[in-house]
Amino acid sequence: EVQLVESGGGLVQPGGSLRLSCAASGFIFSNYAMTWVRQAPGTGLEWVSAVNGGGATTYYADSVKGRFIISRDNSKNTLFLQMDSLRAEDTAVYYCARVFRGGDCADYWGQGSLVTVSS
Amino acid sequence: AIRMTQSPSSFSASTGDRVTITCRASQGISNYLAWYQQKPGKAPKLLIYGASSLQSGVPSRFSGSGSGTDFTLTISYLQSEDFATYHCQQYYSYPLTFGGGTKVEIK
Repeated sequence: EVQLVESGGGLVQPGGSLRLSCAASGFIFSNYAMTWVRQAPGTGLEWVSAVNGGGATTYYADSVKGRFIISRDNSKNTLFLQMDSLRAEDTAVYYCARVFRGGDCADYWGQGSLVTVSS
Repeated sequence: AIRMTQSPSSFSASTGDRVTITCRASQGISNYLAWYQQKPGKAPKLLIYGASSLQSGVPSRFSGSGSGTDFTLTISYLQSEDFATYHCQQYYSYPLTFGGGTKVEIK
């Protein structure tokens, strides 16, 4: 059974940093691209970032480019999102998801991790 | 970035109704379109990929159509568990983008 479990969310002050982790199980992690999607309270989904299976190719939304870094450790089946220079508008539930092999949509999602940026 | 526009943003329907949700892309995306269902407090669930391919395990009352810029998600016979928010997403090019969502409420 595919499982994705996020951790690392919490309350952080504006300008601060946070690192999200996503532990994957139930599939060959290195064979799949992975992605982060966020959802601010009461709003729709916003794609944040993606990384290929090997970790060498990354993509970012303009809203986080230069502040967030996606990475992965295939030896530990774990995906990361390093978030720096956080802003109030980064407040959201962050989901990690597996990228579907039939296209760059997401077929399995974690339960989400809440990040709150506030003083 | 490609902008995705869903309509309506919300509506009410009754069990047994046939409902259609539309999604329009600001430029052609071929068939690189996915639909997700999301219930309150839960992660999204992939329903449709490739504009019209049903994800494994998804009931056949869900169907998708369209190509280029205009797409639809149809639920042929609305059931109680279908009351949720539906999101479209283009994956034709990065940055990937979602529509604003359509909330289907009980009439």
